[in-house]
Amino acid sequence: NAGVTQTPKFQVLKTGQSMTLQCAQDMNHEYMSWYRQDPGMGLRLIHYSVGAGITDQGEVPNGYNVSRSTTEDFPLRLLSAAPSQTSVYFCASRPGLAFYEQYFGPGTRLTVT
Amino acid sequence: TQLLEQSPQFLSIQEGENLTVYCNSSSVFSSLQWYRQEPGEGPVLLVTVVTGGEVKKLKRLTFQFGDARKDSSLHITAAQPGDTGLYLCAGEFWSGGSNYKLTFGKGTLLTVNP
Repeated sequence: NAGVTQTPKFQVLKTGQSMTLQCAQDMNHEYMSWYRQDPGMGLRLIHYSVGAGITDQGEVPNGYNVSRSTTEDFPLRLLSAAPSQTSVYFCASRPGLAFYEQYFGPGTRLTVT
Repeated sequence: TQLLEQSPQFLSIQEGENLTVYCNSSSVFSSLQWYRQEPGEGPVLLVTVVTGGEVKKLKRLTFQFGDARKDSSLHITAAQPGDTGLYLCAGEFWSGGSNYKLTFGKGTLLTVNP
């Protein structure tokens, strides 16, 4: 049982490049989320999904796309990277809403130059 | 938007000292969670409090949920260097239908010096 896995661990992009951050969980959780963490800003919700085929925007969705074709996978796509997207990105999953623990992946540290 | 204010933002203490971290909001939450995050890793849940006035203990850590479910505190007794990390509170609130959302505070970075 690997929990929540994220790849890559580190990534450097040039402005304008696109890429996909991968996230997978093997706990059969319905609810998955993407957060970004910046110094002094805490964790901010980018996008979330309440099940396969269902996604919605969080607090800071601009510049990011998501899809959820399976319960296990929830990739985050950066369409055209900008320096403002330099951050640490965390994927998380929960078995349900209301009182359930959120399980986080180890994070991806992204630098956009 | 439900906001959670954590204080202090930074805390540096000596081993053996006691400390309290606060998490405050003007909003009522269904539950409140405390996470700890170590460098290079994702946050890990410490506790969930649900009932107003609830107190939970986890070894040297004591968590309290305010009576009105708008605030919470984390108290550490006799801090140890292993307690060093970023402590995050997260409040869960009902956002309509069957949806609940989790909003995070900005965290308290604790350093315990030997």
